[in-house]
Amino acid sequence: GQQLNQSPQSMFIQEGEDVSMNCTSSSIFNTWLWYKQDPGEGPVLLIALYKAGELTSNGRLTAQFGITRKDSFLNISASIPSDVGIYFCAGLSTSGTYKYIFGTGTRLKVLA
Amino acid sequence: EAEVAQSPRYKITEKSQAVAFWCDPISGHATLYWYRQILGQGPELLVQFQDESVVDDSQLPKDRFSAERLKGVDSTLKIQPAELGDSAMYLCASSPGRTGELFFGEGSRLTVL
Repeated sequence: GQQLNQSPQSMFIQEGEDVSMNCTSSSIFNTWLWYKQDPGEGPVLLIALYKAGELTSNGRLTAQFGITRKDSFLNISASIPSDVGIYFCAGLSTSGTYKYIFGTGTRLKVLA
Repeated sequence: EAEVAQSPRYKITEKSQAVAFWCDPISGHATLYWYRQILGQGPELLVQFQDESVVDDSQLPKDRFSAERLKGVDSTLKIQPAELGDSAMYLCASSPGRTGELFFGEGSRLTVL
């Protein structure tokens, strides 16, 4: 099935550093969602974006809906050990049936 | 806080056996989704319901998979017969509508031996 490209695939960072990741698509989306998933658990919704150019924060997390509507970005400031996990983006495709398409994931590992 | 309930959390079965997963969405959520997630990959949609109707099952392997949401509330996903390649996490999600935020359950981890 179709999946969105996420970059980077994985990253090691030092505790306290800022993190940036992105998600790109060849299609235009009307909604972007960002999730965090811990091992063996379901994804947990972090941030939802509904308008091109929109910038939304949730604590240390900030996400942006790209102007072209084909990409989205997630930043984590001052990372802490509990930020470890896999981050997924999801874009809402409105061509045909409305359905969310997920990214390939960015695995984040934080070194204390 | 309202949650999506799934059971069982873990299921180990032998190939050719039948398996069933159950999902109870957040109360009032009209849209229900079943996703399959293979280790290391993002979730992939199997089937989407709007109330009791299927609106997308284009990626559901219909020769062995079936899904129903008879009263438009809870849902069951069945696999018969299970194959080795079906080993994965099966995630249920719900949303107030087709364009709203998706909320996931904890998932059902299937291992086929």
